Amino acid sequence: DVKVTQSSRYLVKRTGEKVFLECVQDMDHENMFWYRQDPGLGLRLIYFSYDVKMKEKGDIPEGYSVSREKKERFSLILESASTNQTSMYLCASVGAGQGIDTQYFGPGTRLTVL
Amino acid sequence: GNSVTQMEGPVTLSEEAFLTINCTYTATGYPSLFWYVQYPGEGLQLLLKATKADDKGSNKGFEATYRKETTSFHLEKGSVQVSDSAVYFCALSDQSTNAGKSTFGDGTTLTVKP
Repeated sequence: DVKVTQSSRYLVKRTGEKVFLECVQDMDHENMFWYRQDPGLGLRLIYFSYDVKMKEKGDIPEGYSVSREKKERFSLILESASTNQTSMYLCASVGAGQGIDTQYFGPGTRLTVL
Repeated sequence: GNSVTQMEGPVTLSEEAFLTINCTYTATGYPSLFWYVQYPGEGLQLLLKATKADDKGSNKGFEATYRKETTSFHLEKGSVQVSDSAVYFCALSDQSTNAGKSTFGDGTTLTVKP
């Protein structure tokens, strides 16, 4: 059974803290994604990675960075957390190749920045 | 670019009622179309998909038909249950332009009352 795990389900941080959100997949997928989900705004893509050490900006990368040192792990970093980054963060992965296009999601991390 | 527009919610139905959630898309290539479901407190999971025109995806009593002429992929279920209460996302993946990336609608919240 395919699995995407995220390091925390709930996280509370203070303004200005550096925050790390970790995502691990066990499906040997090439592509990994970070989204944030806010009421009324749907899913917004922050960053994605199509290979180890490769990354591309999504629609809302400001205030975030990412790291992909190993194929199975994709980290989202909030360099200096702010209250407007309070949100649900979802990680997803998908393999490469024709017809392989279903995204597999982790359970989400609900981050609160105080 | 690609876009997905889905019916605004929230939608509230009584148990055993008929469900339709409308979804239309704009894409430059030949997308695969998806419905994902997000149950309370969880990440998204694939509900059904269709990869080419006139294909019908189905799962758990839900169905959607890929209509290229109307660029639509409406979700239907003949008789909803309380356990179907969730957020439903329509999405497309166009491998001719952005392998692995998907474009999501804003989500429709369904509440089914006993």
